[in-house]
Amino acid sequence: GEDVEQSLFLSVREGDSSVINCTYTDSSSTYLYWYKQEPGAGLQLLTYIFSNMDMKQDQRLTVLLNKKDKHLSLRIADTQTGDSAIYFCAEKGAGNMLTFGGGTRLMVKP
Amino acid sequence: EAGVAQSPRYKIIEKRQSVAFWCNPISGHATLYWYQQILGQGPKLLIQFQNNGVVDDSQLPKDRFSAERLKGVDSTLKIQPAKLEDSAVYLCASSEQGVTEAFFGQGTRLTVV
Repeated sequence: GEDVEQSLFLSVREGDSSVINCTYTDSSSTYLYWYKQEPGAGLQLLTYIFSNMDMKQDQRLTVLLNKKDKHLSLRIADTQTGDSAIYFCAEKGAGNMLTFGGGTRLMVKP
Repeated sequence: EAGVAQSPRYKIIEKRQSVAFWCNPISGHATLYWYQQILGQGPKLLIQFQNNGVVDDSQLPKDRFSAERLKGVDSTLKIQPAKLEDSAVYLCASSEQGVTEAFFGQGTRLTVV
C-alpha cells in the first residue's frame, strides 16, 4: 500500500532556513500537501503542489517535488519561533484518499 | 466562514464502554473524512464519505467502529466497545467535491482507561 516517510525531528536557529523532507511510494499521487499541527490543534493546510509541477513558492514557503525519486521537501525561509510545530507531508492518491507521513517536529531556537 | 466543528473536545472512558463523536463539516462540503491520530504518529484515514455514501472504509475496524453520515451533512463515529489502544485524537475533515483542500476540525481527544 501507500507509504509516506518523514524524519522525526529538526532543530534550527531563528532566522535560518528549515528544510523538511518527505518520501512517498504512490506513483499515482495527484497532489502532495504540507500540513502544520500546533499543540492541541487540528491540522492546518500550509501549501500543496500538483504532481506535474516541480516547484511552488508561497511567501516564506518553497515546495520542491522530485517525481522521479518520489521526494518532496518544504523549505521555510527566515524560520521564526512561531514556526515550531509538527509538519506533516500527505499525498492524495486513488479515490481522493489522503495518506499522511508520521510528521516532523520542528524546533526553532531563539 | 465557519470551520469544521467537532464535539466533544475531550472524552475519558473505561475500556469496554461505548463512545460517540460528532462532526459538522463546512457547509456545502460533499466529502467528509474521519482520521485517527495516535500520539506521535500521523493521521490514519478511518472512513471517507461522499455525501452520505461511503467511499472508503478499508481501515475502519468494523467489529467495533461504525460511522454514519445521515442526509450527507453531519457525521457520527462510534466505538463499541472501546479498547485501550483506541486512545487517540479523532479528526474530522471536509472538502468540496473535486477540490484539493481538506479542512480539519480541532479533533476529539479520547482516553481509554
